[in-house]
Amino acid sequence: TQLLEQSPQFLSIQEGENLTVYCNSSSVFSSLQWYRQEPGEGPVLLVTVVTGGEVKKLKRLTFQFGDARKDSSLHITAAQPGDTGLYLCAGGFPEYGNKLVFGAGTILRVKS
Amino acid sequence: NAGVTQTPKFRVLKTGQSMTLLCAQDMNHEYMYWYRQDPGMGLRLIHYSVGEGTTAKGEVPDGYNVSRLKKQNFLLGLESAAPSQTSVYFCASSRPTGNSWELFFGEGSRLTVL
Repeated sequence: TQLLEQSPQFLSIQEGENLTVYCNSSSVFSSLQWYRQEPGEGPVLLVTVVTGGEVKKLKRLTFQFGDARKDSSLHITAAQPGDTGLYLCAGGFPEYGNKLVFGAGTILRVKS
Repeated sequence: NAGVTQTPKFRVLKTGQSMTLLCAQDMNHEYMYWYRQDPGMGLRLIHYSVGEGTTAKGEVPDGYNVSRLKKQNFLLGLESAAPSQTSVYFCASSRPTGNSWELFFGEGSRLTVL
C-alpha cells in the first residue's frame, strides 16, 4: 500500500486542454512537493507547499495544498506538448524526518 | 554546473556479479540519497546519508550497501546482483528550503540484471 496515492496514473490529452492530477494520503503532510521528470532524466522540483489551503502558481501550473494537509492537486491550464512528462508528488511526514515519500506518479502526454 | 553526476549511466550484469554506482555532487550538500525507480512504484528510498561518514537504511535497503567516505560522494554497491534489482537508480542530494528539503537528482543509472 502506497503512503501517497496519485491519480490518474496516465493522462493523454490534446494541446490546449486543461487537466488536474491529484495526490492523496491518509496521513498529514508536514510539506508536499511536486516534481516533473522527463524521459532519461531525474526529477526536477516544481514547487513546495507547506501551509494548509496554500495555493501557488507557476505560469500555467496551479498547485493547491488541502486544508487538512492530506492532499494536493496540480492543475495545468491550456496544456502544451512541452508539459509532457511524469509528475511526482512527494510528501514529508513528521515520522519520517527529512526523508520524502514519493507517489507512483502521473504520466502526462500532451498531443499536438 | 555539474550538480549531481552518476556513473555509469547504463550497466548489464549477470546474476551474482557485483558492482558499484558512484554519485558525485558539487553543491556542498550534507544529505545524499539513493532511490530506485520501477514502473508503477514511484521512487523508493534505498539508503541515505546525513553527512560524511554516516549512512542509514531507507525503505528498501536489502541487497545494497553504501558508503559516504567523502562529503561529495555517495557510493551504492550491489554485492551479488539479482534480477529483482533491475531498475533505474537515482542519486539525489538535498538542501533545506524552509520546512522542507529540495532534492537535486542525477540523470539516473539503468541497471539490468540477467
